[in-house]
Amino acid sequence: NAGVMQNPRHLVRRRGQEARLRCSPMKGHSHVYWYRQLPEEGLKFMVYLQKENIIDESGMPKERFSAEFPKEGPSILRIQQVVRGDSAAYFCASSTSGLGVDEQYFGPGTRLTVT
Amino acid sequence: GENVEQHPSTLSVQEGDSAVIKCTYSDSASNYFPWYKQELGKGPQLIIDIRSNVGEKKDQRIAVTLNKTAKHFSLHITETQPEDSAVYFCAASGGTYKYIFGTGTRLKVLA
Repeated sequence: NAGVMQNPRHLVRRRGQEARLRCSPMKGHSHVYWYRQLPEEGLKFMVYLQKENIIDESGMPKERFSAEFPKEGPSILRIQQVVRGDSAAYFCASSTSGLGVDEQYFGPGTRLTVT
Repeated sequence: GENVEQHPSTLSVQEGDSAVIKCTYSDSASNYFPWYKQELGKGPQLIIDIRSNVGEKKDQRIAVTLNKTAKHFSLHITETQPEDSAVYFCAASGGTYKYIFGTGTRLKVLA
């Protein structure tokens, strides 16, 4: 079992560019969560998706950020017109259900640096 | 809103000693408390968890205790080893997918 996979592992973008982060959940998992981790801070929930559906995006900024989990392919977190404050580690997690009774398995993260 | 406070932010112990990390949560509806270990450059890995219907859980050198009345839960690592050095995060959940994480404890085990 390959585990949760994220790519790229490191991403450098200039201010104003777009950042696209990918997450492939563990085999058999259809629930995906994105978290953001600022330096020296804990993880903050951003969005919860199932295949083709956004279930909860309450932690995601309303502007410039979007997420999708298509029927085929990885989940994608997109940040448009990046700013320096977007620099952080972005982690994806997956689980077998969204009921909170199943462990969330985390990927290795994408470290985004905005210059 | 919901909040989880974690202390200390850094902790250094001699190899073989015990380490204790404490967390306090604010949402009385929280009923699931996982602990994650994050090594440098990697994602968080679940090491132990506890649900609100028990007060203590052990797994070899790791134990977690929960005091629901005081809204405290703690991670105990005995006989620490250099490979225990990492950042540890506590989290709380009200039985849903939304975990509220603490700010992390950087544990350093000195050989």
